[in-house]
Amino acid sequence: EIVMTQSPATLSVSPGEGATLSCRASQSVSSNLAWYQQKPGQAPRLLIYGASTRATGIAARFSGSGYGTEFTLTISSLQSEDFAVYYCQQYDKWPPLFTFGPGTKVDI
Amino acid sequence: QVQLQESGPGLVKPSQTLSLTCSVSGGSISSGTYYWGWIRQHPGKGLEWIGYIHYSGSTYYNPSLKSRVTISVDTSKNQFSLKLSSVTAADTAVYYCARAIVMVRGVFDYWGQGTLVTVSS
Repeated sequence: EIVMTQSPATLSVSPGEGATLSCRASQSVSSNLAWYQQKPGQAPRLLIYGASTRATGIAARFSGSGYGTEFTLTISSLQSEDFAVYYCQQYDKWPPLFTFGPGTKVDI
Repeated sequence: QVQLQESGPGLVKPSQTLSLTCSVSGGSISSGTYYWGWIRQHPGKGLEWIGYIHYSGSTYYNPSLKSRVTISVDTSKNQFSLKLSSVTAADTAVYYCARAIVMVRGVFDYWGQGTLVTVSS
């Protein structure tokens, strides 16, 4: 099983500032990496897939990068609605065994 | 716009079978473009993929749950279902149904709102 880790566990940011979230895979997942945003009481929302492709309707202030085992989600100029938990997820292997990271909470 | 909605009992007794249904609207479950899956989230914890199914009947399960999980599809009702047998308190979680894109296999682009299932006597 590919183990995903995320850092930091919590990131405190002021509105208008940028944020950089990290995700690491225990083995290479190529670019088969997605990012999701989850707000309290809501389902996760797909932000990024293919490590760097924004999902439909996702604001340009969200960007993803990385390949192999190291990935980054960058949020430029945080808006109030961006304070949430962010999860990375790998989908590299077939037959599938998709795994998620433990999440990074972005708070004020 | 595709919408997914979970339904089923919110309380299940230990050793019994958890059964949930996901109703899909705004799109056909028979589209070959998607897998239809289940993901759960233990209270205050992260996300765990349970498995998914293609309308053709192909199923894929998380090996850690495979012996207890069955996912099925009912194209006539545009629904798919999850059965998890021999449940324990460790199966208490919010269960989400979600759609995955075949072309990228494991990317879940639409999710239901989730339903909390508590395992308790």
